[in-house]
Amino acid sequence: AQSVTQLDSQVPVFEEAPVELRCNYSSSVSVYLFWYVQYPNQGLQLLLKYLSGSTLVKSINGFEAEFNKSQTSFHLRKPSVHISDTAEYFCAVRGGGKLIFGQGTELSVKP
Amino acid sequence: EAGVVQSPRYKIIEKKQPVAFWCNPISGHNTLYWYLQNLGQGPELLIRYENEEAVDDSQLPKDRFSAERLKGVDSTLKIQPAELGDSAVYLCASSRTGGSDTQYFGPGTRLTVL
Repeated sequence: AQSVTQLDSQVPVFEEAPVELRCNYSSSVSVYLFWYVQYPNQGLQLLLKYLSGSTLVKSINGFEAEFNKSQTSFHLRKPSVHISDTAEYFCAVRGGGKLIFGQGTELSVKP
Repeated sequence: EAGVVQSPRYKIIEKKQPVAFWCNPISGHNTLYWYLQNLGQGPELLIRYENEEAVDDSQLPKDRFSAERLKGVDSTLKIQPAELGDSAVYLCASSRTGGSDTQYFGPGTRLTVL
C-alpha cells in the first residue's frame, strides 16, 4: 500500500530565509508525486508535480522539489520565503486512481 | 475557465439531522472525487466517479453516506443522519481523466455538527 509521511507538522521561518518541507513516500509501483498548498479557508491548489523525466520540478512562485528514488523522498524547497507563503502544504502520491496525502506541514513565515 | 464550485461553503447542523453538499466540476472533466479532510489532517478519498459511475467507494461509510452524479456532471454528497464525528471539511475535486491528470480542488464545505 502506498503512503506518505511529512516529517514536520509545523515549520516556522523568518522572511527571506530558506525553507525545506520534508516528504517521504512508500510505493511499490511507479510514482506520481505532488505538492499542494492550502491557504486559510481555501481549497487545495497544485504547487508542482513529478510524473516522469527530470527529477527536479519547479513551480512558478519559486518552489522546487526533487524526486529521489533511492531515498523515496520528494522534499519541497524555496531559497527565500515571503510572508505570503504562509499556508499548509500537503505532499501526495497518486495510487489506485486517487491521491494519498500526508498529514500536512504548516509553514509560518514571520517578519 | 471556472474552477470547481462547491456549496454551501459552511453548514452548521444538529446531530441526527440530514445534510447535503453540492459540487460542480470543471467543464469537460470526466472524473470527480469527494474527499474528507479532518482538522489537522490531509484529505482522504470518500468516492471517485468516472462519468456517472462510482468506481471507488470503498472508503464511503455507506450506512449514513450516499452520493450521486447524475448525467456525469454535478454531484451531491449526503449524510443522513449526521453524527458529531462528521464535523470536517468536505472537498470536491475533478480531473480530465482518472490517470495522471491533475486534480483540481474546490474550496470545500466546512460542516459543523452540534
